[in-house]
Amino acid sequence: GENVEQHPSTLSVQEGDSAVIKCTYSDSASNYFPWYKQELGKRPQLIIDIRSNVGEKKDQRIAVTLNKTAKHFSLHITETQPEDSAVYFCAASPGTYKYIFGTGTRLKVLA
Amino acid sequence: NAGVTQTPKFRILKIGQSMTLQCTQDMNHNYMYWYRQDPGMGLKLIYYSVGAGITDKGEVPNGYNVSRSTTEDFPLRLELAAPSQTSVYFCASSPQGAILVYSSPLHFGNGTRLTVT
Repeated sequence: GENVEQHPSTLSVQEGDSAVIKCTYSDSASNYFPWYKQELGKRPQLIIDIRSNVGEKKDQRIAVTLNKTAKHFSLHITETQPEDSAVYFCAASPGTYKYIFGTGTRLKVLA
Repeated sequence: NAGVTQTPKFRILKIGQSMTLQCTQDMNHNYMYWYRQDPGMGLKLIYYSVGAGITDKGEVPNGYNVSRSTTEDFPLRLELAAPSQTSVYFCASSPQGAILVYSSPLHFGNGTRLTVT
């Protein structure tokens, strides 16, 4: 069935270093790829998204890249800060308002 | 706009009891969803709705029911609560995008933490 694999499940980085989280999707019809950040005890919030007609999108320290051929997309966070510590979820959507979520990555930024 | 509002925030149920989790949104979004999130896990879709009067099952619908009588409200009903339904429940909504082929971002409520003992 349709699924999204997300790696790694946990990631620890030193403050100021970069963090990369990778997702692979199975449904070739997927054309919208959002990333959500969930702080402890809070709701998931959208931090960046990308459509299939674009290969890369950047918003300040956050960027997402998409490789449609390989069915991979990645979240890149540069110059990490302690407030970046959270769980990050990727998702893939085939445009039918259906979203398949990855299992999440717990990011810890060490001061 | 308040966005997506969920009530209650916390609830403890005994096995076999029933309850309704309320969800309302004031953004005039067509699409609404119920997800559950077990500790340390991802989001699993319970039910969704593409508009008033239309609902459909997600990945884990057993033990739950929904209704969508208005655009704003999408309550989730638990009948005969079981310990396996202990979870955090998130309601979400999304608008129909300007470009229909693409989905739109999900807007989540703050969640309801449910414990069944």
